[in-house]
Amino acid sequence: TQLLEQSPQFLSIQEGENLTVYCNSSSVFSSLQWYRQEPGEGPVLLVTVVTGGEVKKLKRLTFQFGDARKDSSLHITAAQPGDTGLYLCAGEFGDGGFKTIFGAGTRLFVKA
Amino acid sequence: DADVTQTPRNRITKTGKRIMLECSQTKGHDRMYWYRQDPGLGLRLIYYSFDVKDINKGEISDGYSVSRQAQAKFSLSLESAIPNQTALYFCATSDPAGPDTQYFGPGTRLTVL
Repeated sequence: TQLLEQSPQFLSIQEGENLTVYCNSSSVFSSLQWYRQEPGEGPVLLVTVVTGGEVKKLKRLTFQFGDARKDSSLHITAAQPGDTGLYLCAGEFGDGGFKTIFGAGTRLFVKA
Repeated sequence: DADVTQTPRNRITKTGKRIMLECSQTKGHDRMYWYRQDPGLGLRLIYYSFDVKDINKGEISDGYSVSRQAQAKFSLSLESAIPNQTALYFCATSDPAGPDTQYFGPGTRLTVL
């Protein structure tokens, strides 16, 4: 069974703190996406990473793809209440057939 | 206007009723998907379609059926709804060129009593 495990499942922090969430699997991905979902809405893409070791930055968010393309992390610097939401990672398998799986998500709450 | 729309946004129904959820997209993508989301379980794939003549089962297709009426339209049916189908349902699209980035609709909250 191919699984994507996200940790922690839930995180509550104060505004201004830094945090890192993780996405791990025993499988190798051809690409990995991070999405953010707010209540009452569908997930919205934040970033796609495709190369092992790749680092992408989106304002205060830093995404890293593991060297072996089995894991990824999302680091948020100086979190703000607007960062509150569910963060989902999704891994795409490049084995010829369609296969994208989603993790269960990390629910982040940033208190003002 | 939203690129991916879903109707209805909310629906309450009774056990045994037939329900149809509709999805339309203006992104021009060939690939469309239906997912359900349950707390702690993430997004699970119900059905997907790579073009109008292509329909494929996902990991949890039992109790569901789909119809791809056109490139832009993909509907999901629950032939006889049961309470454990209570969930958030999302439609998504993607472009086969490049990584599998998916664009989601706003979701339908379905409650089966």
